[in-house]
Order: sequence, then structure tokens, then C-alpha cells
Amino acid sequence: NAGVTQTPKFQVLKTGQSMTLQCAQDMNHNSMYWYRQDPGMGLRLIYYSASEGTTDKGEVPNGYNVSRLNKREFSLRLESAAPSQTSVYFCASSEFRRIAYEQYFGPGTRLTVT
Amino acid sequence: DAKTTQPNSMESNEEEPVHLPCNHSTISGTDYIHWYRQLPSQGPEYVIHGLTSNVNNRMASLAIAEDRKSSTLILHRATLRDAAVYYCILINFGNEKLTFGTGTRLTIIP
Repeated sequence: NAGVTQTPKFQVLKTGQSMTLQCAQDMNHNSMYWYRQDPGMGLRLIYYSASEGTTDKGEVPNGYNVSRLNKREFSLRLESAAPSQTSVYFCASSEFRRIAYEQYFGPGTRLTVT
Repeated sequence: DAKTTQPNSMESNEEEPVHLPCNHSTISGTDYIHWYRQLPSQGPEYVIHGLTSNVNNRMASLAIAEDRKSSTLILHRATLRDAAVYYCILINFGNEKLTFGTGTRLTIIP
């Protein structure tokens, strides 16, 4: 099993450009999550999908959209990138909601917006 | 929302036990206590979680105070690979927006 995979690993964008971060898991998990981690900070939840077909906002959803394409894939889109979105983005999945189940994290995407 | 308080940093000698404390005095009855760790340049890794009783797994033990206002993650025999930032977080059905705090940076001394 590959676990949780994320593409791309690195990305540089200019202000105003758009892009989609891809995430896939092969563990047949129901729940998936997107976090961002700014330098020296903990992780903040952007969006989550408790189950296929549902998505909900996390703590910092502004400037982002998500799509739960199917059970395996959960993408994060930046419609108009801003320098404040420079961060490392982590995708995670869990068998069911993370409340009582462990999350598995991907390796992260390092995004720089200039 | 219930918050957690952890020391910013701790040091421990290799091959000795490590006790990482976490205070959560406003914990509610439905909050699960989770611990994750993050090695440099990697995504977080699950360590352990519990609700009321102490828990053991192959990585660590979680000791939960009787009043649940604090907990301690115990690494029984630290190795250099255990050097990481350790996060203690509380999660329940009412606060799935919860973030990870800044955690405890654990340094292992050879």
C-alpha cells in the first residue's frame, strides 16, 4: 500500500494563479482532510470530508475549495493564489471520522506564492 | 473549545524513558485525547489516543489522569528516531475544526 499520496511535492505560483493539489489514499478510508502548516506553527484544518459525497469547512477555509472526487481522492483548489497561502499542505485520511480513529498523513506539498 | 497546554521543548537521554505532559483542564466528557508526532520535513504520524483509560501500543503508552484534566505520553526507551515535535490534541464530534497546537519539541541526547 502506498498510503496517502500527494502531488505535486513542490510548487511555485505567482499571485493570482490557480492550481489544484491532488490527494489519494489506497486504504479504503471514509474520511479525508486537508491541513496547512505555516513555518514554526502547528497544523490548521482547511476542509474535511467525513465520507464520500460530503465536505465541510475547517478552521481556515477562505481562499480554498475542495472536491471529494470519489472515495479515494480529495483535491484542494486555490482559485486565486495569494502570498498568505504560502505554506506546506498536508492531506490525511482516516477509516472514519478522526475523532476516534487514527489519521494517516501524506508527505506534504510545499507551496510558495510570490 | 477545550485547549491543551504542552511545554515548548524537552530533552531526554537516549535509551531512557520520556514522559511528555499535556494539560487539558477544560476537557469535556466526549473529548478524545490524541497524540501525534512530526519528524523533520515529514507529515505527522499517529502515536496513540484514548478516552478515559490508560492505553498501550507498540509505540508508546498514554496515561490519563483520573479527572482527565491531564495526560502523559510515555516513550519507554527513547531512541534518536524519537526526536520530533509531539502534539497533544482533543477531538470530539462538536469540534472537528480543531487544529494542532505548536506541540513539544523533543530532543534526544545520544
